Amino acid sequence: DSGVTQTPKHLITATGQRVTLRCSPRSGDLSVYWYQQSLDQGLQFLIQYYNGEERAKGNILERFSAQQFPDLHSELNLSSLELGDSALYFCASSVVRGDNTGELFFGEGSRLTVL
Amino acid sequence: AQSVTQPDIHITVSEGASLELRCNYSYGATPYLFWYVQSPGQGLQLLLKYFSGDTLVQGIKGFEAEFKRSQSSFNLRKPSVHWSDAAEYFCAVGAHSGNTPLVFGKGTRLSVIA
Repeated sequence: DSGVTQTPKHLITATGQRVTLRCSPRSGDLSVYWYQQSLDQGLQFLIQYYNGEERAKGNILERFSAQQFPDLHSELNLSSLELGDSALYFCASSVVRGDNTGELFFGEGSRLTVL
Repeated sequence: AQSVTQPDIHITVSEGASLELRCNYSYGATPYLFWYVQSPGQGLQLLLKYFSGDTLVQGIKGFEAEFKRSQSSFNLRKPSVHWSDAAEYFCAVGAHSGNTPLVFGKGTRLSVIA
C-alpha cells in the first residue's frame, strides 16, 4: 500500500459527459502528479501540483483540468469525454524535503471507460 | 528534454533463468533513475532507484540495476526469475533537483514460463 488513495477505481460513462477523479496523497506529501496510461501512449504525464499551485504541465488536453485543495487532495476533471479518453488515470505524490530523491508513490489508478 | 527507451516490448523467460531488462535514457545532466513494476490491475511499485554514489543499486524482490553513464543505460537484472515476477516493468528518469515529473519508458512486459 503506497498510501496514495484514488477514487473511484472504475468508472463507465458516455461520450460528451464529464467526470471527476479524486486523489489523496500520502500524508506529508505536498506534490501531486496526474498520469494517463493507455495502451498506445504508455504513461503520459498530465499535470503536477505543489502545495495548491500548478507546478508543471504535460500533455494535458484543454478539456481536462485539475486542482489541489488546501487539504492537499487533488481532483482531475475530464469533460466532453471522447472514446479516446478511455484509459487508466494514475495519481502519484512525492516527498518534498531536503533529501528528496525524486521517487513518486502511485495510487492504484482510476480506470475510465467511455462508451 | 528527458526521454527513456525500453527497446524490448515483451520478454519471455523460464522460471529460474536470469533476467535483464534494458533501459536507455536521454538527459543533459546527472539524472535520477528508477525502475517501477506494475502487476495486472495494480499501481506502480518502486523496485529501485539511483540518484548518486554506487552505480550498482539493489532493490526489492531481489532486483538490481546498474547505472552506466557512458552508455546512458540503467538495465535491470535478476539472477533467478520467479513466476510471480510476471508483470510490466517501467524505467523512468527524473531531474536531479527532484520534485519534478518523471518521464517513463513505454514498458517491458515480462512473461515467465515453467
